[in-house]
Amino acid sequence: DIQMTQSPSSLSASVGDRVTITCQASQDISNSLNWYQQKPGKAPKLVIYDASNLETGVPSRFSGSGSGTVFTFTISSLQPKDIATYYCQQYDNLPYTFGQGTKLEIK
Amino acid sequence: EVQLVESGGGLVKPGGSLRLSCAASGFTFSSYSMNWVRHTPGKGLEWVSCISSSSSYIYYAESVKGRFTVSRDNAKNSVYLQMNSLRAEDTAVYYCARLGGLGASAFDNWGQGTMVTVSS
Repeated sequence: DIQMTQSPSSLSASVGDRVTITCQASQDISNSLNWYQQKPGKAPKLVIYDASNLETGVPSRFSGSGSGTVFTFTISSLQPKDIATYYCQQYDNLPYTFGQGTKLEIK
Repeated sequence: EVQLVESGGGLVKPGGSLRLSCAASGFTFSSYSMNWVRHTPGKGLEWVSCISSSSSYIYYAESVKGRFTVSRDNAKNSVYLQMNSLRAEDTAVYYCARLGGLGASAFDNWGQGTMVTVSS
């Protein structure tokens, strides 16, 4: 199975800060990576697909980049509504696997 | 509007069984692969199973293989997860999720989830 490792596990930042989360795959997955946002008690929501494509309706302050084994997810200017746990997920090989999540909090 | 509504969760004893259902609307259900994904506070998100649009291809996570069975009824726009021999570690919120997006490679729509608790 492909292991996905996210860092950091938690992150505290101020409103307006630039926030970056890293996801590392245990093998080359090309750009077969998605990012999800999950708020407490809610279902996950797709934010970025194919490593760098913004899902329809998602604000442009969210972005993704990377290819191969290292990927980044960035919020350019953190807003209070962005407080959530973020997960990366690979679809290069079954089983689909997720990172352990990054819990984002407001400082 | 795409809607996925899960049902069937509840409290069950170890070794027991439960059948989850997911009713879909707002899209051509028969054209999409459907998945079950579970979430626990300690382990995060875990993919459980996938069934292709015509049920030709079915896949399971190793952790549930031999105990869980996924199926679908395209006439009823529904997907199911039969869970047998349940264990405490199966306790989670279970989501059904559509495999969509441009390359049919992302979970682009999710249900609200149904809670499964395995405890004596």
